[in-house]
Amino acid sequence: KNEVEQSPQNLTAQEGEFITINCSYSVGISALHWLQQHPGGGIVSLFMLSSGKKKHGRLIATINIQEKHSSLHITASHPRDSAVYICAVMGSNYKLTFGKGTLLTVNP
Amino acid sequence: GAGVSQSPSNKVTEKGKDVELRCDPISGHTALYWYRQRLGQGLEFLIYFQGNSAPDKSGLPSDRFSAERTGESVSTLTIQRTQQEDSAVYLCASSLGFNNEQFFGPGTRLTVL
Repeated sequence: KNEVEQSPQNLTAQEGEFITINCSYSVGISALHWLQQHPGGGIVSLFMLSSGKKKHGRLIATINIQEKHSSLHITASHPRDSAVYICAVMGSNYKLTFGKGTLLTVNP
Repeated sequence: GAGVSQSPSNKVTEKGKDVELRCDPISGHTALYWYRQRLGQGLEFLIYFQGNSAPDKSGLPSDRFSAERTGESVSTLTIQRTQQEDSAVYLCASSLGFNNEQFFGPGTRLTVL
């Protein structure tokens, strides 16, 4: 069993829909990262959080430390949001462990 | 401002040859990470540096892989006697310190024929 599980693996949405991607982990962590990987391969850090909730534009990330669960929400989705979204956790040894990613496709 | 840069962007080599991949982190970032992404697979941690030292080398796949960092700046990942299974995109990231946001470079796509 992977230490970091993401769901769904693939997600197709219509423009304007509200998107939720989930991440569960099984180890103690110091922080959780959400990353976005574009079709060309470039990776952008979206959020790093260790508690509560963060918001940036149409993106919202939440984490529940007790339940070892995080969600990434996208409001008013747009085709340019199409990408792979990756959850990664940092343990006490400062090593990032990655989920397998969620491929999001937003159709116009 | 300048982000993380990596060179070369693409490298094609023959099995058995050695390759060197370079990472230039953001100036002032003390932490530097190397990751690997094989085709169609997720990211794997390889090694990180705090300053010029690497406290955790456990992610390096074999003793053919080595990395160094000098001047708390540029880092080089060296793969000796490359094998076809080494084909992947090698990504570098840097951050102000541990437990800070990581900034990723564009990666080096390595193809071993």
